[in-house]
Amino acid sequence: QSGLTQPPSASGTPGQRVTISCSGSNSNIENNLVYWYQHLPGTAPKLLIYSNNQRPSGVPDRFSGSKSGASASLAISGLRSEDEAGYFCAAWDDSLSGPVFGGGTKLTVL
Amino acid sequence: QVQLVESGGGVVPPGRSLRLSCIASEFTFSSCGMHWVRQSPGKGLEWVAIISKDGNIKNYADSVKGRFTISRDNSKNTLYLQMNSLRPEDAAVYFCARGHINSWDSEGYYYTDVWGRGTTVAVSS
Repeated sequence: QSGLTQPPSASGTPGQRVTISCSGSNSNIENNLVYWYQHLPGTAPKLLIYSNNQRPSGVPDRFSGSKSGASASLAISGLRSEDEAGYFCAAWDDSLSGPVFGGGTKLTVL
Repeated sequence: QVQLVESGGGVVPPGRSLRLSCIASEFTFSSCGMHWVRQSPGKGLEWVAIISKDGNIKNYADSVKGRFTISRDNSKNTLYLQMNSLRPEDAAVYFCARGHINSWDSEGYYYTDVWGRGTTVAVSS
């Protein structure tokens, strides 16, 4: 299955704002909602953003999501060392009749 | 707190079978769909299978269709993945994930919110 496209890596310094992109197509992102997760190896992925730009309770407002056309972005402002993790996007795919995921972006806090 | 715990992973030769389990706790298991998602070494996530809250609707990725079967026992709060005719490319960490119930999806079928930590499957002779 073809996945969503994310940059493999991103980096920033403490306090900085970083964005992670997620690119798809009209069978997924363009016509469906986007979710974002944070994942540390060996742990359970954690939901950060749902329905393009909504935060579950407990997720800091430093995390925000947006979508335009067949692309979406996750922005992290006021970067902290504990934000160093993997981040992946997901969207329902109408062709697959299932969710499709991004390859993941490893964020390094310098 | 809400938790999903996978088990059943291991090392199996190609062509053999394995059954994964996922035990849910601290939420009404029968109220939402459930997914299996896998991550192969060094690769991104791949959706594997989905099952509706009552078990009546199931769907699979093409890569596992006809070989894997998803099922659930709502009386035991448990999700299963029966994997037959395993291939080397099935080697991965397998995660179970809960369907996300929200204002536009009251049955939690399409997207996921809570995930487990995963169980590792290796396929090797």
